Amino acid sequence: KNEVEQSPQNLTAQEGEFITINCSYSVGISALHWLQQHPGGGIVSLFMLSSGKKKHGRLIATINIQEKHSSLHITASHPRDSAVYICAVTFPRYGNKLVFGAGTILRVKS
Amino acid sequence: GAVVSQHPSRVICKSGTSVKIECRSLDFQATTMFWYRQFPKQSLMLMATSNEGSKATYEQGVEKDKFLINHASLTLSTLTVTSAHPEDSSFYICSARGFWIWGYTQYFGPGTRLTVL
Repeated sequence: KNEVEQSPQNLTAQEGEFITINCSYSVGISALHWLQQHPGGGIVSLFMLSSGKKKHGRLIATINIQEKHSSLHITASHPRDSAVYICAVTFPRYGNKLVFGAGTILRVKS
Repeated sequence: GAVVSQHPSRVICKSGTSVKIECRSLDFQATTMFWYRQFPKQSLMLMATSNEGSKATYEQGVEKDKFLINHASLTLSTLTVTSAHPEDSSFYICSARGFWIWGYTQYFGPGTRLTVL
């Protein structure tokens, strides 16, 4: 069983829809990152969370420490949001190393 | 957020040559830098972790003589792929961890696409 599970693997949405991507992890963590990778490869750090909720523009990230679960929400989705979204976690036993989820491929159609 | 740059963004070289990739943290001091490689449609694979001023720690299966990592300052780390071969063709990404405003965080560079002919 992977230590970091993301769902869904693939997601197709219509422009304007509200999107949720989920991430669950197996044991207590130091921090959780949400990353975005566009075709062509470059990775953008969207959020780093250890508790609560963060918002940046149309993106919202939440984390529930007790349930070991995080969500990334995109409001008013746009075709330019199409990318791979990756959840990555640091577990205390691995120090500062990130453990990556498999990623969610998001396609937003106009 | 903070910015991490990589140079070059894309490199094509002949088999047997060495290629150096630079990773810079532009507005914070990176006490730790991570180097990853990514094959098509796969997740990032950690190659090595380097702390400023000390030798890099390589992950199992990564040849330290093939992938030379230098982290000489708090803002610069370099990865040199020595005697590159076609199987080294990949997307190489660095990530820098350091103190940024409210606490420690980690940012990723845009990546370097290496093609070895």
